[in-house]
Amino acid sequence: GQSLEQPSEVTAVEGAIVQINCTYQTSGFYGLSWYQQHDGGAPTFLSYNALDGLEETGRFSSFLSRSDSYGYLLLQELQMKDSASYFCALSGYSTLTFGKGTMLLVSP
Amino acid sequence: DAGVTQSPTHLIKTRGQQVTLRCSPKSGHDTVSWYQQALGQGPQFIFQYYEEEERQRGNFPDRFSGHQFPNYSSELNVNALLLGDSALYLCASSLDKGLLSGANVLTFGAGSRLTVL
Repeated sequence: GQSLEQPSEVTAVEGAIVQINCTYQTSGFYGLSWYQQHDGGAPTFLSYNALDGLEETGRFSSFLSRSDSYGYLLLQELQMKDSASYFCALSGYSTLTFGKGTMLLVSP
Repeated sequence: DAGVTQSPTHLIKTRGQQVTLRCSPKSGHDTVSWYQQALGQGPQFIFQYYEEEERQRGNFPDRFSGHQFPNYSSELNVNALLLGDSALYLCASSLDKGLLSGANVLTFGAGSRLTVL
């Protein structure tokens, strides 16, 4: 089977940089995705890594190391609206296996 | 352009009852997946429909069934409800592009929150 581990909660202040780590176990996958979910809302796609290395999308960057079974999401210039849950997910052909999520709390 | 729409948004059922949840995918998408999200957990894959057929299924009992219609909309049915079925049920749509064609980006709806008493 597949499993992912990420911290349950991370706190940071506005303007800071925060990194959310994700380790996984799998026999095979296409890539590592990251989704954001505000309380009571729909998960929304943030970033995807098919290959090792860094992908940058605005204030968000994501990293994958297949040899270390490890990835992370980096959020820069944190804003209050970034307070949400963040999920890493192993991407199959057309399905996702999600971790339990990391709740990010941004304070003023 | 409307995204994924789900109905109803909230519903309450009692144990043993049956429930039907509905989903309209994002315009242009042809694949619909259903996920169950328990409180404080990540979404768990239930099954996926493509071309009106169940293409993949997660580790859920056959009390969970579904359907996809010719217009790509979908229904999730749960029979003989248990207390443990209380969760947020998320529908996600995507465009089937073939293997290794890039990010598997799912567009999620806001979900149907089911409470079983």
